[in-house]
Amino acid sequence: GAGVSQSPRYKVAKRGQDVALRCDPISGHVSLFWYQQALGQGPEFLTYFQNEAQLDKSGLPSDRFFAERPEGSVSTLKIQRTQQEDSAVYLCASSPSTGVTGNTIYFGEGSWLTVV
Amino acid sequence: AQSVAQPEDQVNVAEGNPLTVKCTYSVSGNPYLFWYVQYPNRGLQFLLKYITGDNLVKGSYGFEAEFNKSQTSFHLKKPSALVSDSALYFCAVRGNNNDMRFGAGTRLTVKP
Repeated sequence: GAGVSQSPRYKVAKRGQDVALRCDPISGHVSLFWYQQALGQGPEFLTYFQNEAQLDKSGLPSDRFFAERPEGSVSTLKIQRTQQEDSAVYLCASSPSTGVTGNTIYFGEGSWLTVV
Repeated sequence: AQSVAQPEDQVNVAEGNPLTVKCTYSVSGNPYLFWYVQYPNRGLQFLLKYITGDNLVKGSYGFEAEFNKSQTSFHLKKPSALVSDSALYFCAVRGNNNDMRFGAGTRLTVKP
C-alpha cells in the first residue's frame, strides 16, 4: 500500500480483556517498529523486527505485551489482560532497509486504545 | 543510550514571523537526527533528517534544521510561519542501533 496501515484505529477494551492491534507496513519494507505514545508525551520504543525476526523487544513494558511478524510483512501487537495504564496510542512504523540507521521510518496513523 | 531534549513545551509565534523549535541530543557515535510533525488524531509525519554532510538540512513545507555538533543541537526553523504549521513537533535521534528516541514534543501555535 501507499503508507503504513493500522487497524483498528480506535479500540475500547474492558480491563482484563485481550486486544490485538494489526500493522500493514509499506510494501517491501524490511524493518518494522512498534511505539507507544501516552497522551501528551513522545513515542516510546517498544519493539523492532527485521523481516520476521524480532531483534529488539527491550521496550515492551511487561510480559503481557507480545508482538509477532510471522511472514515478515504484517505484524500484530497483542496485549493480554489489559490494564488502564495500557491506554495509549500504539504507533507502527516501517523502514525500507536495514543496517543504515539513517533510514527514515514512516509511521501509521496509530491505534488508539482506551481501557475502561 | 541516546536521548533528545526539547526544552520548550510550547512555542507561540505570529503568522509571518520566523519560528524556531529547539532540540538538543545526546548520543554515542554519529548522530542521526530527525524531525517529525503530528497533527491532531494523526500519526507522525517525517519532516527532515540529518545524516551527514551539510549542517543545514532542508525539508518539507519550507522547514529547515541546523545541525550544530559543538552545541549538540538540531533546532527546527522556518523563515515565515503559517497558521497551518500549528501542530506538535518531535525531535528524534537514532544512534548505532535501531532504537529511535523521541523528545517529549513541542506544541507550536501560530496565531493569525
